[in-house]
Amino acid sequence: AQSVTQPDIHITVSEGASLELRCNYSYGATPYLFWYVQSPGQGLQLLLKYFSGDTLVQGIKGFEAEFKRSQSSFNLRKPSVHWSDAAEYFCAVGAMEYGNKLVFGAGTILRVKS
Amino acid sequence: DTAVSQTPKYLVTQMGNDKSIKCEQNLGHDTMYWYKQDSKKFLKIMFSYNNKELIINETVPNRFSPKSPDKAHLNLHINSLELGDSAVYFCASSLRLATSTDTQYFGPGTRLTVL
Repeated sequence: AQSVTQPDIHITVSEGASLELRCNYSYGATPYLFWYVQSPGQGLQLLLKYFSGDTLVQGIKGFEAEFKRSQSSFNLRKPSVHWSDAAEYFCAVGAMEYGNKLVFGAGTILRVKS
Repeated sequence: DTAVSQTPKYLVTQMGNDKSIKCEQNLGHDTMYWYKQDSKKFLKIMFSYNNKELIINETVPNRFSPKSPDKAHLNLHINSLELGDSAVYFCASSLRLATSTDTQYFGPGTRLTVL
């Protein structure tokens, strides 16, 4: 079965600094990988997804993520964080043979200090 | 226009009661899901339906009964509510079931509190 690990529960960065949120997955075949963001009191919004092709994926709001099969990782990055990026970020893996369900990591809370 | 909507947004009720949460999507999607987010923010799928047919049932107690009157709606009925049912419940939809590359669009969530 798939599993997703987000090692960092909380991360605090200064506004304007770069950001990297870690995500490691466990899955036997080629995974489909997603990053979602959840602002306080809101639903989840898709930032980006990877399913094939170029391993560097561009998303919305200036985010990108890189799929590294050798490290079973799909880390999310942003070169310059804005205060509005403060939210909780969830990595997820999907697989067709599991009925298209998404398995989510536990989330990483991002705090941005000015 | 709201793509995936849920009602109510907040639900506070007593143990033992029966309650329902409604979900509607106006995206024309075939597949809908219910997820539960517990107090530790851990999100886990409960059910998925494809064209009104149950596809995934993730060992959820049978007090939880999803109902899909048509492919645009997936309601969640919970009988005999327990304290442990307190959580945020998210509805989601995706275009198709056949490929898991389709984006799942999430509703705003329903915060259920059982007293």
